[in-house]
Amino acid sequence: KQEVTQIPAALSVPEGENLVLNCSFTDSAIYNLQWFRQDPGKGLTSLLLIQSSQREQTSGRLNASLDKSSGRSTLYIAASQPGDSATYLCAVILDSNYQLIWGAGTKLIIKP
Amino acid sequence: DAMVIQNPRYQVTQFGKPVTLSCSQTLNHNVMYWYQQKSSQAPKLLFHYYDKDFNNEADTPDNFQSRRPNTSFCFLDIRSPGLGDAAMYLCATSRVARGSEQYFGPGTRLTVT
Repeated sequence: KQEVTQIPAALSVPEGENLVLNCSFTDSAIYNLQWFRQDPGKGLTSLLLIQSSQREQTSGRLNASLDKSSGRSTLYIAASQPGDSATYLCAVILDSNYQLIWGAGTKLIIKP
Repeated sequence: DAMVIQNPRYQVTQFGKPVTLSCSQTLNHNVMYWYQQKSSQAPKLLFHYYDKDFNNEADTPDNFQSRRPNTSFCFLDIRSPGLGDAAMYLCATSRVARGSEQYFGPGTRLTVT
């Protein structure tokens, strides 16, 4: 059974720092991996989607990497800003399925 | 421009009183999903439509039903809401079922009194 883990559960850093959020999964037979952002009481915003054949994807200050063999993905945020404060969730889709399997999320706070 | 729209954003209903939540999309995607998300938890898939084909998750309570009258709209009906059904309900779409990026709406926060 696929399990997705995100560590740490919460992270607080000063504004301007570069930071890395981690996502690990137990079954390497994934079709793709998606990173989302969720602001308190709001819906989910898709940040990046990495296909299983890709190693990384970039969007602005965000860079997501994928290492299927080790079952890991990272989300790198450069030059963090208070507006980046949110919960970040990763989710995978297995080769054999359509359903997103979610991590529990990392709550990020960027202090001004 | 909003691509996945949910109405209302906040809904209050009484215990046992039926309620319908609405979702529409401008992406012309084939697949629409309904998720339930409780506080500090990951979203839980309730069901999805691939075109008109309805797919119910095994552990979705019978109290929850869904309708998709056309490509653009999908509804979530809760026949007899209980206190435990208070949650955020998220609608999402994807172009195809397997492997496609999912786009989420802003959610409807349901309160049951």
